[in-house]
Amino acid sequence: DAGVIQSPRHEVTEMGQEVTLRCKPISGHDYLFWYRQTMMRGLELLIYFNNNVPIDDSGMPEDRFSAKMPNASFSTLKIQPSEPRDSAVYFCASRGGRFLSTDTQYFGPGTRLTVL
Amino acid sequence: AQKITQTQPGMFVQEKEAVTLDCTYDTSDPSYGLFWYKQPSSGEMIFLIYQGSYDQQNATEGRYSLNFQKARKSANLVISASQLGDSAMYFCAMREGDSGGGADGLTFGKGTHLIIQP
Repeated sequence: DAGVIQSPRHEVTEMGQEVTLRCKPISGHDYLFWYRQTMMRGLELLIYFNNNVPIDDSGMPEDRFSAKMPNASFSTLKIQPSEPRDSAVYFCASRGGRFLSTDTQYFGPGTRLTVL
Repeated sequence: AQKITQTQPGMFVQEKEAVTLDCTYDTSDPSYGLFWYKQPSSGEMIFLIYQGSYDQQNATEGRYSLNFQKARKSANLVISASQLGDSAMYFCAMREGDSGGGADGLTFGKGTHLIIQP
């Protein structure tokens, strides 16, 4: 079975450019999460969706960040305009159930973003 | 206050020895889940083991076990018979709540960098 798929794996861009990160969750999972990992702040939740609906975006750092999930098999995280401090590894994760017994989140390989 | 505390930034362990990675947590929610993930140098996050707050027994998965002490709010990961391939960052994480008001995202600790020496 395919795990969570993210693209691109690496992205290098210049300050001010638009960046779009993509994620395909595990088939049948109804929760999708976006996390960011930096040396300074560690792993932090940005936003998550349930059945394609954004539930909590309180972790999104600024209005420059936006996320969408147009269908059950695809999500995007967009940064416009990008800044050097956005450089990080961005992870997408998915989960198949609401209750703790089916709680495990499975992570994609991550996108390493570098903003020059 | 931190919700997940991992007090060991780094550890060196001899191959084949057992390893205990510490994790303490803070929550007032009676229903929560605790997780351990492994992040090798390649960067991916690999799920290792899960413990629910109502589970009566400590979780085990192969060489991994979770020493769950609810009263002390600790959830230490034990790796038996360590191998060179166990060298990685290890993260403890928590999800609070099982009802509609619970938070669904994971809160992570800062991690422990484990190095297994031959």
